[in-house]
Amino acid sequence: RKEVEQDPGPFNVPEGATVAFNCTYSNSASQSFFWYRQDCRKEPKLLMSVYSSGNEDGRFTAQLNRASQYISLLIRDSKLSDSATYLCVVNTGGYQKVTFGTGTKLQVIP
Amino acid sequence: NAGVTQTPKFQVLKTGQSMTLQCAQDMNHEYMSWYRQDPGMGLRLIHYSVGAGITDQGEVPNGYNVSRSTTEDFPLRLLSAAPSQTSVYFCASSRLGTESLSSYNSPLHFGNGTRLTVT
Repeated sequence: RKEVEQDPGPFNVPEGATVAFNCTYSNSASQSFFWYRQDCRKEPKLLMSVYSSGNEDGRFTAQLNRASQYISLLIRDSKLSDSATYLCVVNTGGYQKVTFGTGTKLQVIP
Repeated sequence: NAGVTQTPKFQVLKTGQSMTLQCAQDMNHEYMSWYRQDPGMGLRLIHYSVGAGITDQGEVPNGYNVSRSTTEDFPLRLLSAAPSQTSVYFCASSRLGTESLSSYNSPLHFGNGTRLTVT
């Protein structure tokens, strides 16, 4: 089993829709979690950190489920500009223990 | 602020050639790292550094060398390029977390990437 797994998609959703992605991780000792966004042929950029209590930033909501070992990202009222690949990042402790998922591709269509 | 600056953006090498990918950051970050990104593989850590004079290996270090003589610069050297090193390379930096790299207030900041092709 991969350390961090994501559905590669693509998720094709109409503008205004709500879409959710999950990311599962295998190491129960994982300490911190992030969602990054990567546009085509660009560098990854931090979208949001994922806190144990869940957190929200505008249209984006991130949740952590330690019991089932997954994190989720919910995007409400999707915009065309949300089209990108969303990378799940898990840190299991230690500077080298940052593992990136392969990403979930989102395409928002008019 | 420039953030993390990588050069070159594109490079084509012949098998056996050597080259250095440059990375500089102006955020006074202690932590710097190099990743490669290949289709279907996610980003994989090559080497990292937690301060000047300190480097260590990541997941895929073979064929690459690094050094950290200053806080700002972290070059990646390909010793003898191979087609398997064809990839997109990203440099990233961060403040150090308290116990681990990615404390909540210290995300990774990435450079624009270098697209390397080895023929």
